[in-house]
Amino acid sequence: EAGVVQSPRYKIIEKKQPVAFWCNPISGHNTLYWYLQNLGQGPELLIRYENEEAVDDSQLPKDRFSAERLKGVDSTLKIQPAELGDSAVYLCASSSTSGRQYFGPGTRLTVT
Amino acid sequence: GDSVTQMEGPVTLSEEACLTINCTYTATGYPSLFWYVQYPGEGLQLLLKATKADDKGSNKGFEATYRKETTSFHLEKGSVQVSDSAVYFCALIYSGGGADGLTFGKGTHLIIQP
Repeated sequence: EAGVVQSPRYKIIEKKQPVAFWCNPISGHNTLYWYLQNLGQGPELLIRYENEEAVDDSQLPKDRFSAERLKGVDSTLKIQPAELGDSAVYLCASSSTSGRQYFGPGTRLTVT
Repeated sequence: GDSVTQMEGPVTLSEEACLTINCTYTATGYPSLFWYVQYPGEGLQLLLKATKADDKGSNKGFEATYRKETTSFHLEKGSVQVSDSAVYFCALIYSGGGADGLTFGKGTHLIIQP
């Protein structure tokens, strides 16, 4: 069974540019999560989806961050415009009704 | 809010040494507790879990016991190997449904020398 797929794995952009990350969860997993992992820190939840509905986006900085999961399968996280402090690893995870979360390899963003 | 505190790293040990990585938590209810491991260049993987007080999670020679009285979930292994070198994260979910977001500690980098 394929795991959680994320792309790109690495992204380097200049500040003020837009950037988007893509995540394809494990087939059949209705719950999808986006986490932010700063260097030397543990992941922090940004947003959680149940199917196509965002059920917890309280930690998502809505002035510059947006996310969507239009058909309840894959998801996109966007930053516009990016700031230097957005340099981090963006993790996607998915889970089924069991609740166990499976993580993708992450996208490492560097903003210069 | 809920939080997880784990010992600072890096932790450097020789092969076959005993390992303990401390983890304590604060939560307003009865969370499920987890240890995740992140090997170099790979994604986070669940190592073990415990869902209620006095439960012991175990996997790959690692163990951790859910201690409600001390709000702790320390990770232990009797004899570490070079292949155990990784970053270890303690985490909790405060939800009966288990579908909420995880709250992680900052991670402990473990380095095992041959």
